[in-house]
Amino acid sequence: QSALTQSRSVSGSPGQSVTISCTGTSSDVGDYNYVSWYQQHPGKAPKLMIYDVSKRPSGVPDRFSGSKSGNTASLTISGLQGEDEADYYCCSYAGSYSLVVFGGGTKLTVL
Amino acid sequence: QLQLQESGPGLVKPSETLSLTCTVSGASISSSNFYWGCIRQPPGKGLEWIGSISYSGYTYYNPSLKSRVAISVDTSKNQFSLKLTSVTAADTAVYYCARMAVYWFFDLWGRGTLVAVSS
Repeated sequence: QSALTQSRSVSGSPGQSVTISCTGTSSDVGDYNYVSWYQQHPGKAPKLMIYDVSKRPSGVPDRFSGSKSGNTASLTISGLQGEDEADYYCCSYAGSYSLVVFGGGTKLTVL
Repeated sequence: QLQLQESGPGLVKPSETLSLTCTVSGASISSSNFYWGCIRQPPGKGLEWIGSISYSGYTYYNPSLKSRVAISVDTSKNQFSLKLTSVTAADTAVYYCARMAVYWFFDLWGRGTLVAVSS
């Protein structure tokens, strides 16, 4: 069982928006603004999409955005495209004991 | 352009030690702005952070693996290495090397290498 809870799957049609949630606790997501999101296509390495809750690395489209409220972080993808179909993982700093925790992943299907 | 490349045995016997080497190319591993991390992913499952190391050798480990893990760094070779002892089938996974920024996110990843534990 992963430390952070994500829904197993989400889907949307091209052009629509989807939101993927990541629920932690007051010891990780709720206590630190160190949430990151990764996109992983089948057979490929994960790719950083969002860091520090809402910052985008250079080269990541602005269709990807991140936010946080309380113990839940969210990744929103607007203007869905076929290439967005992938697994998405959240990650958070969890303090000086657990340090780094990942979510179980959410499979995004573009219909 | 910075790249990370994992190299490992592919197959390890139960109870033995898994050894993985991560080679960094295109930049020096000796940067105070970054740590270097190991993450694994069992087939069909999610990501699990194993541990991270600074260029000076300061380490952080996942508490659930800490008793079996050691990560070391060799700045002369621009490499860092993972050792995982007493492996079982549950340690079968794709093992990734990644660069970890000081604020706990992984901005560059290697392609990963599959390590199977089987007799």
